Amino acid sequence: EAQVTQNPRYLITVTGKKLTVTCSQNMNHEYMSWYRQDPGLGLRQIYYSMNVEATDKGDVPEGYKVSRKEKRNFPLILESPSPNQTSLYFCASSSYPGQGMNNEQFFGPGTRLTVL
Amino acid sequence: AQRVTQPEKLLSVFKGAPVELKCNYSYSGSPELFWYVQYSRQRLQLLLRHISRESIKGFTADLNKGETSFHLKKPFAQEEDSAMYYCALRETSGSRLTFGEGTQLTVNP
Repeated sequence: EAQVTQNPRYLITVTGKKLTVTCSQNMNHEYMSWYRQDPGLGLRQIYYSMNVEATDKGDVPEGYKVSRKEKRNFPLILESPSPNQTSLYFCASSSYPGQGMNNEQFFGPGTRLTVL
Repeated sequence: AQRVTQPEKLLSVFKGAPVELKCNYSYSGSPELFWYVQYSRQRLQLLLRHISRESIKGFTADLNKGETSFHLKKPFAQEEDSAMYYCALRETSGSRLTFGEGTQLTVNP
């Protein structure tokens, strides 16, 4: 089944304790992205990647890191989490983006992170 | 920079009533517009895109470049339409999606 998976789905941690949220897709997609979803703010893009070893900042990259060593994986790293990073995080992937192409973004199930 | 605005955070209608979810955008180029839906406890999924000009689950949306709007409409709402709806814009270069704040639609019986 074609899908985007994220782990863990739920995480409670404390300020300053490094964590990684994994994202994996099995559709051979070039493009992957991380968003955070907050009430009243919608989805905001954190980082995206156009292909292996090609990552770029989104709208709210501060406090986050990503890597794209393999095409299928795009982990999100919080080196020193803070309470304002408490949020619902979504990973998404699509085939190489381009207008007019059938490159729908597929979303993962979400990871709910609480930083105490 | 591109921006997407959904002026209504909450929208409540009765079953069988028409529904319109508003979306306005600002972008200097020629955008591609989408509507995504998130049902309770589920992941976001694409509902429709303006270039397809299709009707999905009875919903339609027309891109109005003059008014820079992409409102989502359905003539007769159903209870199963209750969900969070996000309007999104993809820029000309075709890389990033910019989302609006979302509208929580509730269809009452």
